[in-house]
Amino acid sequence: GNSVTQMEGPVTLSEEAFLTINCTYTATGYPSLFWYVQYPGEGLQLLLKATKADDKGSNKGFEATYRKETTSFHLEKGSVQVSDSAVYFCALSEGYSSASKIIFGSGTRLSIRP
Amino acid sequence: GAVVSQHPSWVICKSGTSVKIECRSLDFQATTMFWYRQFPKQSLMLMATSNEGSKATYEQGVEKDKFLINHASLTLSTLTVTSAHPEDSSFYICSARRGSGGASDTQYFGPGTRLTVL
Repeated sequence: GNSVTQMEGPVTLSEEAFLTINCTYTATGYPSLFWYVQYPGEGLQLLLKATKADDKGSNKGFEATYRKETTSFHLEKGSVQVSDSAVYFCALSEGYSSASKIIFGSGTRLSIRP
Repeated sequence: GAVVSQHPSWVICKSGTSVKIECRSLDFQATTMFWYRQFPKQSLMLMATSNEGSKATYEQGVEKDKFLINHASLTLSTLTVTSAHPEDSSFYICSARRGSGGASDTQYFGPGTRLTVL
């Protein structure tokens, strides 16, 4: 079945450091890929998405590129801020929208030191 | 942005009792809501899809008689854990689908409910 694997946390970085959170997936067909973020005490929020191969999703300085050849969707940010501290979930759905059934990775907790 | 609330945010109950968790979409109508379960340091696992006015669709391995779902209105879905046992202790998260069924639809997530069964 479909699955998502992402790097285990926690990840701790200093402010302005470069961030990469790895994510790979296994899926039949052509899934859409997502990154969700959960800030402390809040619900999951869609951070970015990509619906087909070579698409790049971006939002709030974060980027991820849908790589079909490596079945990956790594999250990157060039300069992290303390406010980026949260749990990040990589996910896929078999539909085009995030409203379809979603399969989540286990989440990666990110902590940014001032 | 759209807001989805859950109530209660945490609950502790005795083994054998039933617990009801509410999920509300506060500023939009949702014909479809989803219920997820999350164990510590693990993924969110979809339990069931709740459709307003009809029976919920349960994922394989989820006991529908144990996890009763009711979606009686366009803004409210409830999950009742019946005869709860310690192994039901978990973090339960709901989401609501906003849109008319097209590619631009989005899921909005609630903050979750932590259930502890003693």
